[in-house]
Amino acid sequence: GAGVSQSPSNKVTEKGKDVELRCDPISGHTALYWYRQSLGQGLEFLIYFQGNSAPDKSGLPSDRFSAERTGGSVSTLTIQRTQQEDSAVYLCASSLDGTGVSGTQYFGPGTRLTVL
Amino acid sequence: AQSVTQLDSQVPVFEEAPVELRCNYSSSVSVYLFWYVQYPNQGLQLLLKYLSGSTLVKGINGFEAEFNKSQTSFHLRKPSVHISDTAEYFCAVRGGSFNFGNEKLTFGTGTRLTIIP
Repeated sequence: GAGVSQSPSNKVTEKGKDVELRCDPISGHTALYWYRQSLGQGLEFLIYFQGNSAPDKSGLPSDRFSAERTGGSVSTLTIQRTQQEDSAVYLCASSLDGTGVSGTQYFGPGTRLTVL
Repeated sequence: AQSVTQLDSQVPVFEEAPVELRCNYSSSVSVYLFWYVQYPNQGLQLLLKYLSGSTLVKGINGFEAEFNKSQTSFHLRKPSVHISDTAEYFCAVRGGSFNFGNEKLTFGTGTRLTIIP
């Protein structure tokens, strides 16, 4: 079946602009995660969704970052007033469930964000 | 909270030689352990996982790893590497108990495996 998909694959934006990144999880997966991969910080957790709720937002770096998930499926990560330090690859993952042995996460190809 | 240490940032290996990529973790609770591989300009692909049971787990592409609870390690091994194994390898951990905050993965800093022809 189809894996996790993300769009766009690449995004170049100017400092101060808002961007939206999209993630389509594997069908039937109730848990969805966003991570960020950057040279200086490695792979960092951002936010976790179970269904449409986000019980763990502890990794969001500032209030410029927000995410939502609708219909228990597609998720959008929004970055407002982008800064150069937001440049990174944003990875989305999904799992059958968020807990226990069903929590094995499968990753999408990522969105490479470049802020000029 | 959990943490992961991958001491080797780069590992060069000759083709057809064996390789071991080291991973050590720290956790106050039981854990699940994972190895992911990232090929250039791609996302993360799951290589193998330890959830419970046998401490020796086998994954895709001929890789295997052994969970050692006393040494808090989960080293990745392959008896004979191929050019196509050139990639970055990430060890990751998450809490194995049903507690809030155990859903997310904590990653190591990665090991870049380079196969020399």
